[in-house]
Amino acid sequence: NAGVTQTPKFQVLKTGQSMTLQCAQDMNHEYMSWYRQDPGMGLRLIHYSVGAGITDQGEVPNGYNVSRSTTEDFPLRLLSAAPSQTSVYFCASSTRPNSIKNTEAFFGQGTRLTVV
Amino acid sequence: DAKTTQPPSMDCAEGRAANLPCNHSTISGNEYVYWYRQIHSQGPQYIIHGLKNNETNEMASLIITEDRKSSTLILPHATLRDTAVYYCIAPNYGGSQGNLIFGKGTKLSVKP
Repeated sequence: NAGVTQTPKFQVLKTGQSMTLQCAQDMNHEYMSWYRQDPGMGLRLIHYSVGAGITDQGEVPNGYNVSRSTTEDFPLRLLSAAPSQTSVYFCASSTRPNSIKNTEAFFGQGTRLTVV
Repeated sequence: DAKTTQPPSMDCAEGRAANLPCNHSTISGNEYVYWYRQIHSQGPQYIIHGLKNNETNEMASLIITEDRKSSTLILPHATLRDTAVYYCIAPNYGGSQGNLIFGKGTKLSVKP
């Protein structure tokens, strides 16, 4: 199993450009999420999905769109990149979080995005 | 999520036990305590979780106080590769859908 795969690993964008960060998992997990991590900070939740066709906003959703057309894929779109979106982006997947059983989250290795 | 409080940094000598504390005084009855770590800007890695009882796996032990207001992650024989930021999280399965909300964690430095 590959686990959670993120592409690209590195990206430089110009202000105003758009792009899509890809995330794919092969564990048949219902739950997927996107985080961003700024230098010296913890991870902040951008968007999440509890299953195909269902998405919702996290803590910092502005400037980002997501869709979930399949269980495996959860792309993150930057609509018009801004320097404030320079960050490391992590995708995660797990079984659907609940209070009954462990829902260990698996994270990708991150996409390092610089907006100039 | 129940708010968790961790010291910003700790040091540990290689080969010694590393004891990382976490306060979660507002935790509710159905909120597990999860621990993750992040090594040098890699993606976070799950370590262990628990509800009431102490837990142990191949990576660590988790001690939860009887009142569940605090816990301690124990790395029994820390190595240099355990240098990382450790996050204590208590997901809320109500309004936040069980999302993992990360604080700043504890930066553990294991020294030779």
